[in-house]
Amino acid sequence: KNEVEQSPQNLTAQEGEFITINCSYSVGISALHWLQQHPGGGIVSLFMLSSGKKKHGRLIATINIQEKHSSLHITASHPRDSAVYICAVSTASGSRLTFGEGTQLTVNP
Amino acid sequence: SAVISQKPSRDICQRGTSLTIQCQVDSQVTMMFWYRQQPGQSLTLIATANQGSEATYESGFVIDKFPISRPNLTFSTLTVSNMSPEDSSIYLCSVPGTEAFSYNEQFFGPGTRLTVL
Repeated sequence: KNEVEQSPQNLTAQEGEFITINCSYSVGISALHWLQQHPGGGIVSLFMLSSGKKKHGRLIATINIQEKHSSLHITASHPRDSAVYICAVSTASGSRLTFGEGTQLTVNP
Repeated sequence: SAVISQKPSRDICQRGTSLTIQCQVDSQVTMMFWYRQQPGQSLTLIATANQGSEATYESGFVIDKFPISRPNLTFSTLTVSNMSPEDSSIYLCSVPGTEAFSYNEQFFGPGTRLTVL
């Protein structure tokens, strides 16, 4: 069993739809990260969470430490949101990340 | 935040040759991480490069195949040696935040897309 599991693996949505990607982890963490990877390969950090909820524009990330679960929500989705979204955790401050398998999101116009 | 550059951004190489990937950070960092992402897969840590000491390799990765240099606090190289098509991947370097409020953050280079024929 992977330490970090994401669902779904693939997600196709119509423009404007509300999207949720889920992440569960099985280890104690220092922080949980949501990352975005575009086809060129570059990775952008969207959120870093250790508790509660964060919002940035149309993106919302939540984490439940007791349940070891996090969700990434995208409101009013747009084709430019199409990318791979990756959940990753660090078990200590400044340490390496352990990654989920990623969710390939495609938003159709 | 840290700004990271990698060279080359992509390369196509012949089987049996070696490629050295460079990672440059705009600030001094103690630890640098090298990751590999095989096609359709998530990222896997190859090794952690600390300045002034030998790199620490993860299970399944060895120094002879992936030698790493870390000559100073802003630069590192990863060499992929004696390449085979199975080495075709995106290689990324990453660093943690350097300030007390950002130690948990991670910053990534743009990646090097390697294709081995």
